[in-house]
Amino acid sequence: DADVTQTPRNRITKTGKRIMLECSQTKGHDRMYWYRQDPGLGLRLIYYSFDVKDINKGEISDGYSVSRQAQAKFSLSLESAIPNQTALYFCATSDSPNFEQFFGPGTRLTVL
Amino acid sequence: AQRVTQPEKLLSVFKGAPVELKCNYSYSGSPELFWYVQYSRQRLQLLLRHISRESIKGFTADLNKGETSFHLKKPFAQEEDSAMYYCALSGGGYSTLTFGKGTMLLVSP
Repeated sequence: DADVTQTPRNRITKTGKRIMLECSQTKGHDRMYWYRQDPGLGLRLIYYSFDVKDINKGEISDGYSVSRQAQAKFSLSLESAIPNQTALYFCATSDSPNFEQFFGPGTRLTVL
Repeated sequence: AQRVTQPEKLLSVFKGAPVELKCNYSYSGSPELFWYVQYSRQRLQLLLRHISRESIKGFTADLNKGETSFHLKKPFAQEEDSAMYYCALSGGGYSTLTFGKGTMLLVSP
C-alpha cells in the first residue's frame, strides 16, 4: 500500500551512531505506530501516537525515541544504536484500534 | 494485560490439505481479534477480523470466547497461501494491537 511509506528501506550503521527512520502517510489517519519484527518474536510495539500531540511508549521503547512532526509524519530515532537493535522496522497507521492497521514496507536496519 | 499465543512457529502441509492455524488469547474484557498475513517480500496486511465474519481467500476464523481461541481455517490449502500469519488482539478504545509471534505456513505442491 503506497499510502504508507518508509525511508530508508535498508540501512547499515555502526554501534553508537544516531539513526532516524521516517514514516509518512497519505491516508489521513490520526493513529501511527512503530513496530520491530524479529524472527521468532513477531511484531512488538515500540511507540505509538493517537494524534499529533500524543506520544506513548509501547512494549519495548528503551533505546528509542519518536517525533510526530505532523499528522502525516512519525519518525523513530535510535540515539545510540546497538547490535541487538538489528531488526525489520515497520510503521503502521489506523483510524482506530479496532480498524485495520495499514503497514509500510519496512526498514531493514543492521547495526554492526 | 493482553496476550496472544500462536503455538506453532511453522506449519507445513500439502496442497489441497486442510489448514488450521491456532491462536489463543488472554484478555479480561471483550476483545477484537484479527488475522494479518505477510507474503514473501510484501508488507503486512489484514486478512480478516472476527467482527466482519467474512471469508477471505477461503479462510475463516471463529471467535470462541469459552476457549479464548480464534483459529484460522481453510479447507483446501493452495501454494499461494504460503506466508507468515499473525493473530492480533485489540481491547478497543485507546488500546493497541497485540500480535502473536506468528506462524509460517508452507504449502507444498
